[in-house]
Order: sequence, then structure tokens, then C-alpha cells
Amino acid sequence: SQTIHQWPATLVQPVGSPLSLECTVEGTSNPNLYWYRQAAGRGLQLLFYSVGIGQISSEVPQNLSASRPQDRQFILSSKKLLLSDSGFYLCAWSPYPGLQKSTEAFFGQGTRLTVV
Amino acid sequence: GENVEQHPSTLSVQEGDSAVIKCTYSDSASNYFPWYKQELGKRPQLIIDIRSNVGEKKDQRIAVTLNKTAKHFSLHITETQPEDSAVYFCAASIILRRNAGNMLTFGGGTRLMVKP
Repeated sequence: SQTIHQWPATLVQPVGSPLSLECTVEGTSNPNLYWYRQAAGRGLQLLFYSVGIGQISSEVPQNLSASRPQDRQFILSSKKLLLSDSGFYLCAWSPYPGLQKSTEAFFGQGTRLTVV
Repeated sequence: GENVEQHPSTLSVQEGDSAVIKCTYSDSASNYFPWYKQELGKRPQLIIDIRSNVGEKKDQRIAVTLNKTAKHFSLHITETQPEDSAVYFCAASIILRRNAGNMLTFGGGTRLMVKP
């Protein structure tokens, strides 16, 4: 079975500090990977998605970046955090489109980031 | 790109009553419409989905309808229970698109409160 791991669960960081959130998927190959952000009481905003190693598409310009160094690893980073970066960050994966069986997205447990 | 609007943003119903959440989408190529339920502090989880080749799908107390001509779809929950209280998200996506992210575009969410 497939599982998705995301860490850390909570994080408090000062303004201007760097950020690194990691997500790994097990039990599947060549998944599509996503980073979403959910501001308090609001919807899910797609930040980045990746269809393969080294392939990153950005949906929203910001001071965040994403990398996919391995097939099942997705990393969200920032060199200098802003107060507005606070939120609930969710990693997700979905099966490779070629499987044509499901396009359901499976979410990690999320990271609650507070920038102070 | 795709744009998904969701209404209402909050919905309060009495236990046993029905709840209806509506979404509209802009991209006529979208053909997959999932609904996610997010309990407080937890990850979103798929509760039901519908593909564009059907107009309605039902799973016990939950049903989803799709009107492709009007580009809107709705979630119906009958005989609501307190444990139905959560935030519900609709989403739209295009599946069967090779080498694409197949990313989900989410609506803004509806906070459903079921009063006992």
C-alpha cells in the first residue's frame, strides 16, 4: 500500500530564517507530487507540482521554492521566511496519469508553520 | 487556468437535515470532480468523486451531481450527523492528460456545522 510522510508536523520559525519541509511517498513509482498551502480558515492553494525528478512547476510566485531530488521525495524550501508564510502546508501525491485508474490526491498530515 | 468557486463558505444545519454545497468551474475540459472532507487540524480526505461521463453518484448519505453544460456540481449530504461537521472542499481536474500534473484546483471550502 502507498503511504505519504510529511515532516515536521509543527514548526515555529523567526522571520528571515530558512525553511525546509520534506515529503516522501512509499509504495508507488513516478507519482505526481504537490505542495499546497492552507491559510487559516481558507482554501487550499496549489504552490508547486512535479511530474518527475527535477521537474517543478510553480503556480504562485513567492519566496518559496520546491525541489524533487528523488522520485518519491519532494522538498519545500525558503531562504528567508516572511510573516505571511505562516499557514498549514500539505504535501500530496497522485498516481501517474498513464495509469488512468485514479487521479485522487492523497494528502500528508500537514505541517503547521508559524513565522514569528 | 481552471477556477473553482464554492458556496456557501459556511453552512449551519440541524442534525437530521440535509446539506447542499455547490461549486462552479471554468474550464470545460475538466472531467474529474472530487470532494474532500477536512476535519479540524487534519488532512483532507476524499469522500466522493464523479467523472464527467455520469451525472450523479451516490454513496450512502452522500451524493454528488454534475451539470457539465452549466459547469457546476454539488455535494448533497442527507440525514446529517454531528460527525459530518468539517470543512468540505470541491475540486476540478483534467485526467488522462499525459505528462501533465493533473493537479486539482480546489474551491475555497465550506465549513459545515451540524447542530445536535
